[in-house]
Parts: sequence; C-alpha cells; structure tokens
Amino acid sequence: EVQLMETGGGLIQPGGSLRLSCAVSGSTVSNNYMSWVRQAPGKGLEWVSFIYSVGSTYYADSVKGRFTISRDNSKNTLYLQMNSLRAEDTAVYYCASSFKNPTFDYWGQGTLVIVSS
Amino acid sequence: EIVLTQSPDFQSVTPKQKVTITCRASQNIHSNLHWYQQKPDQSPKVLIKYASQSFSGVPSRFSGSGSGTDFTLTISSLEPEDAATYYCHQSSSLPFTFGPGTKVDIK
Repeated sequence: EVQLMETGGGLIQPGGSLRLSCAVSGSTVSNNYMSWVRQAPGKGLEWVSFIYSVGSTYYADSVKGRFTISRDNSKNTLYLQMNSLRAEDTAVYYCASSFKNPTFDYWGQGTLVIVSS
Repeated sequence: EIVLTQSPDFQSVTPKQKVTITCRASQNIHSNLHWYQQKPDQSPKVLIKYASQSFSGVPSRFSGSGSGTDFTLTISSLEPEDAATYYCHQSSSLPFTFGPGTKVDIK
C-alpha cells in the first residue's frame, strides 16, 4: 500500500522560507511522478510542481523562481523548498504520486502553510 | 493554459438518484482527463483516469466518458457516502489544471 506523509507546514511571515517534506512508503520516489498540489482555505485544487523519474522538474507560473521541488532517493522523500513566501501561498499542501503517468493516484493527508505577519 | 469548466457548481441529490457532472476543456485534451473526489476535511482521491478508466477499488457506480473537450462523470446510483466535491483535472499540457469543482450534497 502506497502511503505519503507530509510534514513541515506552519505559520511563516511574508518573505520567509519553509521546506515541506513528504515521506513515501510502499513505492519509490525515484520511479514515480511526484507532485505537489495545494488548496487555499475554502478553495479548489491547484497544481504546484512535479518531478519525475529522470529528474525533470516543472512548476506553476505562480511559484516559478520561488519554489524548488527535489527528492532524496536514499530517504525515499520528496521536498518542496518554498522561498519568498506570500500571503497567497497560504494553503494545505498535498504531495501526490503516480507510477506511470502524471496523474495524482495517491495523496498524503496534507500540511497547512499559513503566510501571515 | 487549458481552462476546465464544470457544471453544475452544486447539486443536491436524493440517494439512489443518478448524478451527471460535466467538465469542458478550453482546447482538445484527447483523453487526458481525470476525476477526483474530495470529502470534507479529507484528501482528494482519484476515481477515474484518462476519461474512462476506473481506478482500482473505486465502486462500479462511478464511470467516466468523453474525449476531446467534453467529459462526463456519472454516479449511477448515489449513495450517502458520495457527498463530496468532485474535480476534473487535465494532464494534456503544462500547467496541469483542475476544474473549479462540483459539490454534491445529499437531500
């Protein structure tokens, strides 16, 4: 059974940085499409970023240049480094995975990021 | 960017009734359209991939159809536990996008 668990959320001031982690079990980050999807309070889903097996990375325009997705194969963990955070980045951040294609087959429980002074 | 629109925004339905949700893409996305269910305070779950492929473990009352720009999610006989918001998502081109969601409530 594939399980994903996000950690690292919290309250951060505008302009600050935060790193989210997503620990994966039952699958390997190196062989999967690994994504971050966020959901602002009371709003819909927004794709943020993904990385896939060959290591290529992609970002939504809203986070490009500020967020960096990466993975540690030895720890089987996905990361999202978030810099220059803005109020509009406030959201629950989910990691999601899929084995063969860029869909979101398995999801973590999410971690809440609040950007506020 | 490919824009996905869903209709209706909200639907209140009696148990055992059939539910149909549509998703329209702003351009041809072939069959690269997927459906997710999100219950209150839970993570989303995939229901249907590539327009019509049921994900493992999903009840058979959920089905999908369509290609190109017009897609449909059907719940053949609504169960009380199907109260949720349903989202479509396209993986045809970056940036990946989601529809705004359709909230299904149980009467």
